[in-house]
Formats: sequence, C-alpha cells, structure tokens
Amino acid sequence: QQQVKQSPQSLIVQKGGISIINCAYENTAFDYFPWYQQFPGKGPALLIAIRPDVSEKKEGRFTISFNKSAKQFSLHIMDSQPGDSATYFCAASGLGDDKIIFGKGTRLHILP
Amino acid sequence: DVKVTQSSRYLVKRTGEKVFLECVQDMDHENMFWYRQDPGLGLRLIYFSYDVKMKEKGDIPEGYSVSREKKERFSLILESASTNQTSMYLCASSPTGRETQYFGPGTRLLVL
Repeated sequence: QQQVKQSPQSLIVQKGGISIINCAYENTAFDYFPWYQQFPGKGPALLIAIRPDVSEKKEGRFTISFNKSAKQFSLHIMDSQPGDSATYFCAASGLGDDKIIFGKGTRLHILP
Repeated sequence: DVKVTQSSRYLVKRTGEKVFLECVQDMDHENMFWYRQDPGLGLRLIYFSYDVKMKEKGDIPEGYSVSREKKERFSLILESASTNQTSMYLCASSPTGRETQYFGPGTRLLVL
C-alpha cells in the first residue's frame, strides 16, 4: 500500500515532442505528489509538485496532471528538449509522514 | 541555496573493510536521509534521522548503521563492506521530511 508505481522505465522522445511519465498509488492518505529530476552525476532535485486539491499544475513546459479518483498522476513535458534528458522520479507522502515514497524512476532521452 | 555535501564522489574499498560515508547540510534541517540508487531499483531508503541522535530504519537497513551526533552531519557506516553494497549512495536533507528533500551529489562506492 506504500508503493508508488512508475512507468515507463525508459522513454525516448523526439525533440519537440511530448514526454509523458505516469505514476499510480494505493494509499489514499497521500496528499503531496512531487516529481524529482536527476541529471547524470548529480543528485535528484525537486522539479514540480502538486496537492490533490487541484487537477493540474503547470510550470513552464512541465505539467502535472492529477486524477484523484483513479489514484494516478502524470508528468507531461511539452516541446521536449535534449536538455530534458534525465531520470525522473515521481513520489508521494501523506500528512504525518516523515519520509517520501519514491517511484523507481524513468530514464528519459530526447533525440536531437 | 541549500547545500548538501558528501565527503567523497568516488570510493573504492575492499570486502570486509569498514566504510564511512559523511554528509553535511548547511540549512539547519531537522531531517536527513541516506538512500542507495541502483539501476532499475530507483531510490531505496536505508536510514533516516529526524533529530540529533535519533534514527529510523528505512526499507533496506541490513548491513548499514548510521550516526547523527550533530544536526548538520549524518554518517552512513558499512561495518563490513560486501560486494553487493557496490552502489550510488545519496544523502538528502529536509525541513519536514515529507516535503522537499535536498540531495547531495552522491558517492559512487565500489567494493572489490
């Protein structure tokens, strides 16, 4: 029940295309859903996060879509660029938790 | 800017050696974490600490111990390194634990 399932494991997208990474969770007590971005040789860094009181959050070319009834959320990267090539982790946590549950990650490669 | 530093970027040790990985954060965060990252397995939590001298086991604590004598410093100890502990080790800190975590650059450990 504590898992966050992330797919796909790897993704190749043409420059200018839309990259979509999906995550699903079981624990209905989760109320915070961040995405982290990790470049090679670096630690992960917070990219964007959403709470379940909204269905979508957009920051530049990055959008989180959230479906509370389906217990799913996804990251969309519009107009994908080679510089977006990285590993992306979805995550979740609930009120009172003292840690974050991470998905297994998606390696995204944007073809130039 | 929050800064999380790790004592080594690369480390090579022999089986049976005692290994110390050090992590320091400069933002007065209460919570600190140790993860290991392996291909296809994502980020797995080893131990975390929510206060000085306090520690909690994560998902994979076997073969590891931790120490937090000062708020800014969190050490991961491999009492007797084994080859299956070859991995990337990531330290993170957070003001609340369940929200934004700030990661260090990682230590890539090779146990021969």
